[in-house]
Amino acid sequence: AQSVSQHNHHVILSEAASLELGCNYSYGGTVNLFWYVQYPGQHLQLLLKYFSGDPLVKGIKGFEAEFIKSKFSFNLRKPSVQWSDTAEYFCAVISAGNMLTFGGGTRLMVKP
Amino acid sequence: DSGVTQTPKHLITATGQRVTLRCSPRSGDLSVYWYQQSLDQGLQFLIQYYNGEERAKGNILERFSAQQFPDLHSELNLSSLELGDSALYFCASSTGQAPYTDTQYFGPGTRLTVL
Repeated sequence: AQSVSQHNHHVILSEAASLELGCNYSYGGTVNLFWYVQYPGQHLQLLLKYFSGDPLVKGIKGFEAEFIKSKFSFNLRKPSVQWSDTAEYFCAVISAGNMLTFGGGTRLMVKP
Repeated sequence: DSGVTQTPKHLITATGQRVTLRCSPRSGDLSVYWYQQSLDQGLQFLIQYYNGEERAKGNILERFSAQQFPDLHSELNLSSLELGDSALYFCASSTGQAPYTDTQYFGPGTRLTVL
């Protein structure tokens, strides 16, 4: 069965710091990868997705992620975070059955 | 606003009771998915419907059931509720036309509290 691991459960950064959130998945076949964000009190929103092609994917709000197949990783990055980036971030993988499997989430707090 | 609506927003009930959660997908989407988000289990896929038919099943308990109606709205029925069923229940929808690359759009969720 596929699984997704997000090793950082809580991250605290100051504004303008760089962000990298780790995501590793276990699945031997073709996978499609997603990062979703959940702002406080809001629903999940899609940040970016990778299906094929350029392994460096750019998403909304200045976020990007790099798919490294050999490492089974899909880490999320942002060069300079803002207070408004405070949220919970979820990595997810989709494969057979169109079933999204989510990681445990990373709570990011950005201090102004 | 994702275009997916869920009602009610909050639900408080007692153990042993039965509740129904409702979801309306985005206009034009044929697939509906249900997820449960709890502190101990995280975000877990429960079940998917496509155009009225069950398409995929995840970690859904036998006490839970769902259906999708001809107008494409979906209902998740939770019965014989236990304290551990307290969670946020999300519905998502997608076009359903490209199973592996469809983007799922999430609703605001229903927060269920079982006392």
